[in-house]
Amino acid sequence: KNQVEQSPQSLIILEGKNCTLQCNYTVSPFSNLRWYKQDTGRGPVSLTIMTFSENTKSNGRYTATLDADTKQSSLHITASQLSDSASYICVVSAVRGSTLGRLYFGRGTQLTVWP
Amino acid sequence: NAGVTQTPKFQVLKTGQSMTLQCAQDMNHNSMYWYRQDPGMGLRLIYYSASEGTTDKGEVPNGYNVSRLNKREFSLRLESAAPSQTSVYFCASRERDGELFFGEGSRLTVL
Repeated sequence: KNQVEQSPQSLIILEGKNCTLQCNYTVSPFSNLRWYKQDTGRGPVSLTIMTFSENTKSNGRYTATLDADTKQSSLHITASQLSDSASYICVVSAVRGSTLGRLYFGRGTQLTVWP
Repeated sequence: NAGVTQTPKFQVLKTGQSMTLQCAQDMNHNSMYWYRQDPGMGLRLIYYSASEGTTDKGEVPNGYNVSRLNKREFSLRLESAAPSQTSVYFCASRERDGELFFGEGSRLTVL
């Protein structure tokens, strides 16, 4: 069964600290994995995309990693800021042609950054 | 550049009433989607339209209907609203296997 599991469900950190969010998936065949950030009361916005051949990709203070062998991804946030408080959603896309590019969503990690 | 626009942003209905959520995108995307988001459940796909003229059910289609009016517009209709349909609804669009672009959400309460 194709699934996306995220951990932890919620996380509280102090401003300036680093944190890592996890995403494990069983989606097959794999096309790509995206991390989305959803601020309270807003729609999700894409942070980064990881394809099968990529191990690491950075977007400012956000660094995503992908291990396609173990089917795990992580999102590392460096020097957290209050504006990082949001829900982070992992979305995995299946290969087009088999399941028509279907998207599988994790339930998200709710990150709270305290001053 | 507006992106994906949803209306209304907020709506309160009584059980049994009907309503339509409107969505329009200005990015010339072929694919459009309707999701609902409930606490602890994440985003769940209601219906999608892979291209103009086609619509397909997602994982939670019961109680909803959709219309792909043209390439820009994709509406979601609740024919007889139920309290279980209280949720935040998101419209999204994308091209091929690209990034999803979401609207700001429509918050629906059914009493």
